[in-house]
Amino acid sequence: SYEVTQPPSVSVSPGQTARITCSADALAKQYAYWYQQRPGQAPVLVIFKDTERPSGIPERFSGSGSGTTVTLTINGVQAEDEADYYCQSADTIGSYQGVFGGGTKLTVL
Amino acid sequence: EVQLVESGGGLVQPGGSLRLSCAASGFPFSSYRMTWVRQTPGKGLECVANINQDGGEKNYVDSVKGRFSISRDNAKNSLYLQMNSLRAEDTAVYYCARVETESYGSGSYWWLDPWGQGTQVTVSS
Repeated sequence: SYEVTQPPSVSVSPGQTARITCSADALAKQYAYWYQQRPGQAPVLVIFKDTERPSGIPERFSGSGSGTTVTLTINGVQAEDEADYYCQSADTIGSYQGVFGGGTKLTVL
Repeated sequence: EVQLVESGGGLVQPGGSLRLSCAASGFPFSSYRMTWVRQTPGKGLECVANINQDGGEKNYVDSVKGRFSISRDNAKNSLYLQMNSLRAEDTAVYYCARVETESYGSGSYWWLDPWGQGTQVTVSS
């Protein structure tokens, strides 16, 4: 398989913009998906197909991609956004056995 | 409301067995592929197994092949994971998740939404 790389941590002050990157060779050909996991809770999908936002996810969450790197951006960060964020690369033909990044801990200072 | 509720986790000795269950509600269960994902502090998130809508197609990560078996009962809106020959490295929180798909050409884009709350499996003597 292949690796999906994320920074271990990102810190921002409330109201600022947080950017979390995710890199993998596979992302040049596959979409990325982002999940938020608050402490003690299950992961929640926040971005799919690089840039799309599920219903119920605040507009301050957005995604972008270029080549082998994708970025999750959170504008106007709020205290409730403090969580772990996981990027996933998903194969499109075959086993539905996508690869997750190691996660990024977002700390709201 | 779409809901997934796992059960069946616990403490088991190495070499033992456990059967996890996932009760689904709020959506047409038989219309969706389903998956089990586990999470450990060391290895992070890992897709363990998935099953298609009628149960005829199953996929497993290499580390559990021959030991774990995924199944479903569409009449009961339930997903299962039978785990045999358990090892210490199988210790994790196990989540069930619905697989959302969007077909294109010869393939499908897919993502996991929603996830259940998880059940802890601990393999230790």
